[in-house]
Amino acid sequence: EPEVTQTPSHQVTQMGQEVILRCVPISNHLYFYWYRQILGQKVEFLVSFYNNEISEKSEIFDDQFSVERPDGSNFTLKIRSTKLEDSAMYFCASILDSRGSYEQYFGPGTRLTVT
Amino acid sequence: GDSVTQMEGPVTLSEEAFLTINCTYTATGYPSLFWYVQYPGEGLQLLLKATKADDKGSNKGFEATYRKETTSFHLEKGSVQVSDSAVYFCALPAGGTSYGKLTFGQGTILTVHP
Repeated sequence: EPEVTQTPSHQVTQMGQEVILRCVPISNHLYFYWYRQILGQKVEFLVSFYNNEISEKSEIFDDQFSVERPDGSNFTLKIRSTKLEDSAMYFCASILDSRGSYEQYFGPGTRLTVT
Repeated sequence: GDSVTQMEGPVTLSEEAFLTINCTYTATGYPSLFWYVQYPGEGLQLLLKATKADDKGSNKGFEATYRKETTSFHLEKGSVQVSDSAVYFCALPAGGTSYGKLTFGQGTILTVHP
């Protein structure tokens, strides 16, 4: 069964450093998402991406964040200057294939720890 | 705006007990409704879904019925197992579109003891 993959599984970085989280969505999907989950809290939407541009973003997704689909397979989330409060699990998801399925498939997540 | 409210947890049960996790929603129109499960140390997996009113989603012995009149989508299982211990999230696509961002409930931690 096709799946969304994410790398790395765990990233430790120092405050102020840049990080790039990588995702490979399901190949024939058209919409891509990033969510995050701070430990013990609910899953929160960050950004959605369609047709090579951001379609929606939350108030969390400020100027420190950016997303990119540099080629036909990868979908990345960059945090320019990490803060302690960016420590969370980050999930990538993708949706919508040619059959019209709206089920969002999630990757296993990247745990980001900012020290 | 669209929102999901889940019962407060955590929930602790003995094996073979009956499980109900309540979920109510506020939404534009009649979106699909989902239950996701997160096992310890893992990502989110779709457990079941319902796409219209009165639909019943089911998977792995879990069931949930889309109730338009009570705006609810309660998760039930007749006999839980230790392996069902996980965090359960109710969710819906916000904004009235099927491919919209998911809005999640706060999650309910389920612990099942032998």
